[in-house]
Amino acid sequence: DGGITQSPKYLFRKEGQNVTLSCEQNLNHDAMYWYRQDPGQGLRLIYYSQIVNDFQKGDIAEGYSVSREKKESFPLTVTSAQKNPTAFYLCASSEAGGPRNEQFFGPGTRLTVL
Amino acid sequence: DAKTTQPPSMDCAEGRAANLPCNHSTISGNEYVYWYRQIHSQGPQYIIHGLKNNETNEMASLIITEDRKSSTLILPHATLRDTAVYYCIVRLNNNAGNMLTFGGGTRLMVKP
Repeated sequence: DGGITQSPKYLFRKEGQNVTLSCEQNLNHDAMYWYRQDPGQGLRLIYYSQIVNDFQKGDIAEGYSVSREKKESFPLTVTSAQKNPTAFYLCASSEAGGPRNEQFFGPGTRLTVL
Repeated sequence: DAKTTQPPSMDCAEGRAANLPCNHSTISGNEYVYWYRQIHSQGPQYIIHGLKNNETNEMASLIITEDRKSSTLILPHATLRDTAVYYCIVRLNNNAGNMLTFGGGTRLMVKP
């Protein structure tokens, strides 16, 4: 089945630790995105990548880092510099162009900092 | 991208049409209107998009006013599974990033 997967679904970490969230897609999409969602709020863009080995900061990149070494993978690292990391994290991918420019979302990872 | 304004919540009876409004008075001529929905604790799902003509697909219909300053998403026969937050997004339909800017959306509650 084609799709986008995120793991794990729930993640707990101690304050001060870095943690990496996984995002994999087998849709052959060039573009990938990371969003953060807080309770009762819309999604906010953290980072995005339009092509392998290239990525740009979104609206709230501080305290996060990404890499795009492979087309299928776009891992997000939440660093200890992120002051309020507890949130729901969503990864998405899309074709670089195309008639719908639809973004396909993964199921999300809920991160809780203890 | 132009900003959008949506009511924070709406109720709809099961089996009836759900009409979700969206204002986008600052939309520019080459910006599209997109609708996504997010069922609780899941990733958002694309529903439909349009530029100026009305659009219909298997999920919904999109009615865009002639001046393009507002639109309405119509779910013709709402079911309990349509309970979700619906996001109206206005953006360019090009290769420049394809980012989506999500507002607060409308929380639609479909009631039996």
